[in-house]
Amino acid sequence: GENVEQHPSTLSVQEGDSAVIKCTYSDSASNYFPWYKQELGKGPQLIIDIRSNVGEKKDQRIAVTLNKTAKHFSLHITETQPEDSAVYFCAAGGDTSYGKLTFGQGTILTVHP
Amino acid sequence: SAVISQKPSRDICQRGTSLTIQCQVDSQVTMMFWYRQQPGQSLTLIATANQGSEATYESGFVIDKFPISRPNLTFSTLTVSNLSPEDSSIYLCSVEKGGTDTQYFGPGTRLTVL
Repeated sequence: GENVEQHPSTLSVQEGDSAVIKCTYSDSASNYFPWYKQELGKGPQLIIDIRSNVGEKKDQRIAVTLNKTAKHFSLHITETQPEDSAVYFCAAGGDTSYGKLTFGQGTILTVHP
Repeated sequence: SAVISQKPSRDICQRGTSLTIQCQVDSQVTMMFWYRQQPGQSLTLIATANQGSEATYESGFVIDKFPISRPNLTFSTLTVSNLSPEDSSIYLCSVEKGGTDTQYFGPGTRLTVL
């Protein structure tokens, strides 16, 4: 089955800096890669996703890049704000997974004012 | 997207009892999923619940412990049976919309077992 590794487990940045979280996956058949943000006491919220037919996707301060050859994808947050502080999860899934997603271990992001 | 509600939002239960968690979505969906998130951990899929068929359980999860119902396209329940302190977790339901692989999550149910 699919295995997703996520790094780092914790990330601390100053407000205004950029933050990068990286994930690798094992199943070359995976073709869908979402990122979720989970705030304390809430369910995960989808913030951006990418499919294997593109290499990069951007939405305001958030971008995701995908390298299918190397089987890794990354989340980039620019101009970080204290409100970005949360736990971020990457996941992998796609055609052969019957809708299922495999999640990474999570990254606790802290943005210091 | 989808608007998903879960009941209860939290509960404290005694060892040996059961808790049934409800998940309601604002539109019809084919696929619903139940996850467990142990304290400080990632999400682990318990089972996939499709309307009109038996739930499909992941390795390590069994129907006797986690019975699931899916009576229609907007509702599902997960029961956690014969509770032990190790069952203390957040339980999350999610839905996949329109064959896109995209999953939207409910707010979760925080279960504490004493």
